[in-house]
Amino acid sequence: DTGVSQDPRHKITKRGQNVTFRCDPISEHNRLYWYRQTLGQGPEFLTYFQNEAQLEKSRLLSDRFSAERPKGSFSTLEIQRTEQGDSAMYLCASSLAQWTGGVTEAFFGQGTRLTVV
Amino acid sequence: AQTVTQSQPEMSVQEAETVTLSCTYDTSESDYYLFWYKQPPSRQMILVIRQEAYKQQNATENRFSVNFQKAAKSFSLKISDSQLGDAAMYFCAYRRGAHNKLVFGAGTILRVKS
Repeated sequence: DTGVSQDPRHKITKRGQNVTFRCDPISEHNRLYWYRQTLGQGPEFLTYFQNEAQLEKSRLLSDRFSAERPKGSFSTLEIQRTEQGDSAMYLCASSLAQWTGGVTEAFFGQGTRLTVV
Repeated sequence: AQTVTQSQPEMSVQEAETVTLSCTYDTSESDYYLFWYKQPPSRQMILVIRQEAYKQQNATENRFSVNFQKAAKSFSLKISDSQLGDAAMYFCAYRRGAHNKLVFGAGTILRVKS
């Protein structure tokens, strides 16, 4: 396993277009997270899944954003009608929630850099 | 809501010297974890060190150690014998218990001079 993989690495889109990003977590990890990072800032939480269930969404996740993890493996993040303010790095991370109640550290992908022009 | 503050936007250190990055946090929880992550330019974020709030002993990982002051809600990172490869953005992060959402600070850029 090579870690968390994100695709594409870079995306340039015109304002108003829809974009979709993909994240493949570490295979045995049951938790998957999406964060958004703007230039010079720390990542901000967007949403997370345990297996296929989306358990929490940040209020940062407007109606134009939707995330799925249909089979509990890879996840997609879609942004509809993109705006210039959506330009950011979108980071995916995964971790393992253990039956004992513990949670391992989150491992991050390299991110997808979105530029809306 | 929990917050994490990194008051140093940028720090510089001479190679082989020691540098300390500051972090303060605010929480009313008793069960939490603190982390330092490193993000090199155009590369993925990697975990440097973690600290469980219930542990009094400061965590250490090779050249990296923390000074965890629970009452003061302070969590600084000390890098000893700095190397060129340490140059990166460093983020302090908080996690409430087993709930694995991370709350990050704004980051500190560390520059290492040869």
